[in-house]
Amino acid sequence: QSALTQPASVSGSPGQSITISCTGTSSDVGSYNLVSWYQQHPGKAPKLMIYEVSKRPSGVSNRFSGSKSGNTASLTISGLQAEDEADYSCCSYAGDYLVFGGGTKLTVL
Amino acid sequence: QVQLQESGPGLVKPSETLSLTCAVSGYSISSGYYWGWIRQPPGKGLEWIGSIYHSGSTYYSPSLKSRVTISGDTSRNQFSLKLSSVTAADTAVYYCAREIGYGTHDYWGQGTLVTVSS
Repeated sequence: QSALTQPASVSGSPGQSITISCTGTSSDVGSYNLVSWYQQHPGKAPKLMIYEVSKRPSGVSNRFSGSKSGNTASLTISGLQAEDEADYSCCSYAGDYLVFGGGTKLTVL
Repeated sequence: QVQLQESGPGLVKPSETLSLTCAVSGYSISSGYYWGWIRQPPGKGLEWIGSIYHSGSTYYSPSLKSRVTISGDTSRNQFSLKLSSVTAADTAVYYCAREIGYGTHDYWGQGTLVTVSS
């Protein structure tokens, strides 16, 4: 059982698009379309942004999108805004347990 | 509006058992879904601990399974976490959350910091 691999940090300017990767294995990300993404501002609880690879909960901006190819899932944020600066974590079902990624800090320059 | 609120001691001694409760309002835990616990050590990423289904079945992190028990109390609409034989490595903010699908946590508590120290 190993954590999913995410880059420690990414950055972008307002209006740009960024993509955060989440790499797992054929036992988790590669086997199930059950990858979710969470946004977390400092001192706050995580917020669900994407579930089941590419679905957006009601109320989440359509600037957030998710995809998956093989063992790697991705979160793309388009039209970056200052409020998007936060930590982002992925999570995958792995058969009989869940595994999170280590988290990525997004900085809006 | 679904709300979750964690409660329990903020300080636990090494080798003792950490016990937390999550009170749920706005939804009956017996009506459906999984109800889970996730933790976050200071400055680190999220770690899934385990979940309990509304029927009472559970699934746990393999790395914590030997020390974890999650139970539900439908009469009080709450569920609980017990983590035994704690060490400093168990110091973390502990969150409870509703899990509407595998890995899909849509409502979270605010989190509670538990420190393991003598």
